[in-house]
Amino acid sequence: RKEVEQDPGPFNVPEGATVAFNCTYSNSASQSFFWYRQDCRKEPKLLMSVYSSGNEDGRFTAQLNRASQYISLLIRDSKLSDSATYLCVVNPGGGADGLTFGKGTHLIIQP
Amino acid sequence: NAGVMQNPRHLVRRRGQEARLRCSPVKGHSHVYWYRQLPEEGLKFMVYLQKENIIDESGMPKERFSAEFPKEGPSILRIQQVVRGDSAAYFCASSPSGGANSPLHFGNGTRLTVT
Repeated sequence: RKEVEQDPGPFNVPEGATVAFNCTYSNSASQSFFWYRQDCRKEPKLLMSVYSSGNEDGRFTAQLNRASQYISLLIRDSKLSDSATYLCVVNPGGGADGLTFGKGTHLIIQP
Repeated sequence: NAGVMQNPRHLVRRRGQEARLRCSPVKGHSHVYWYRQLPEEGLKFMVYLQKENIIDESGMPKERFSAEFPKEGPSILRIQQVVRGDSAAYFCASSPSGGANSPLHFGNGTRLTVT
């Protein structure tokens, strides 16, 4: 089983819709979780950290399910500018050098 | 406050040549990380450095690759005798501390093409 697994997509979603995707991780001892966003041929940028109790940042909601070892990202009222690849990032512990990146889920918001 | 600066943006090398990639972290950040991204692949950790020290190089190939982060100047990722398989995007990231929850600030990458 891969360490961090994501559905590569693409997810084609009409503007204004709600979209959600998951990411599974294999190391049950993982301590830190993040969603990063990467635009085509650009660098990854931190979208949000994922906390145990779930957290929300504007239209974005992240949730963690430790029992089933997955995290999710929900985007409400999607905008054209949300089109990007969303990277799930997991840290089994220790320092930031332990960050493991998923291959990403490609999201396309259509007008 | 400038972000992470990488140069060059694009680098073309013939097989057997050396590639030298530079990274200047965010001002005040002393932790630098190098990642490699192949097309349609996730980012793969290569090496983690603090000033003048290599902390973790577990992701770096044992041969031909080296990295440094001198007391003065940028971090350098050096690839000797490049091969076609080295073609990839190389991203540098920095953070103010090396903790597990420390967010990474990425540079815009160097795209290496080996012909």
